Amino acid sequence: GAGVSQSPSNKVTEKGKDVELRCDPISGHTALYWYRQSLGQGLEFLIYFQGNSAPDKSGLPSDRFSAERTGGSVSTLTIQRTQQEDSAVYLCASSRTSGGAGELFFGEGSRLTVL
Amino acid sequence: SQQGEEDPQALSIQEGENATMNCSYKTSINNLQWYRQNSGRGLVHLILIRSNEREKHSGRLRVTLDTSKKSSSLLITASRAADTASYFCATVGGAQKLVFGQGTRLTINP
Repeated sequence: GAGVSQSPSNKVTEKGKDVELRCDPISGHTALYWYRQSLGQGLEFLIYFQGNSAPDKSGLPSDRFSAERTGGSVSTLTIQRTQQEDSAVYLCASSRTSGGAGELFFGEGSRLTVL
Repeated sequence: SQQGEEDPQALSIQEGENATMNCSYKTSINNLQWYRQNSGRGLVHLILIRSNEREKHSGRLRVTLDTSKKSSSLLITASRAADTASYFCATVGGAQKLVFGQGTRLTINP
């Protein structure tokens, strides 16, 4: 596609439910990042996929968070047993080059609200 | 952490004035990037400066990098109301991932 696509754009869920957020990166981009942004704050790194290498999961805040990238393309971020503090905008970005050597292209984000 | 920290956190100026935002970081970097975020939107890449570069220009944007002080600045000249946004610096180091600062919220008053 023309840009990074994220879905859903908005998700409201009840505490304790699981949610899945999807990211379609730009075709051919080998690097894919997930970030979390709380209201009015900066971006918190969550996870980084690069080609077939093992992902850098060092930013995942707890074992309730997991992510996968199938076929080197689409990625899904899963949050199990959601908590109110998980409420934030989850941003996905992809890059043609590895290791942050080039610019990142961001999606519009998925806004998660946990009631 | 090599996270960048922007200064000031918020900046409000009149249209036509120049806006300067600063970024400091803690560890050695490969490059430093600046991004812009309009309210409720994703981030858009503005400019990338490599560790061996000292200054870079792009239109009304001027970025400087001082690796000895571990700092960078973003200058927007002749500001316009449409420049109102949050601006973030991001650094890339040995960990090969892009780490963002907290951002500067810039408001341009018409």
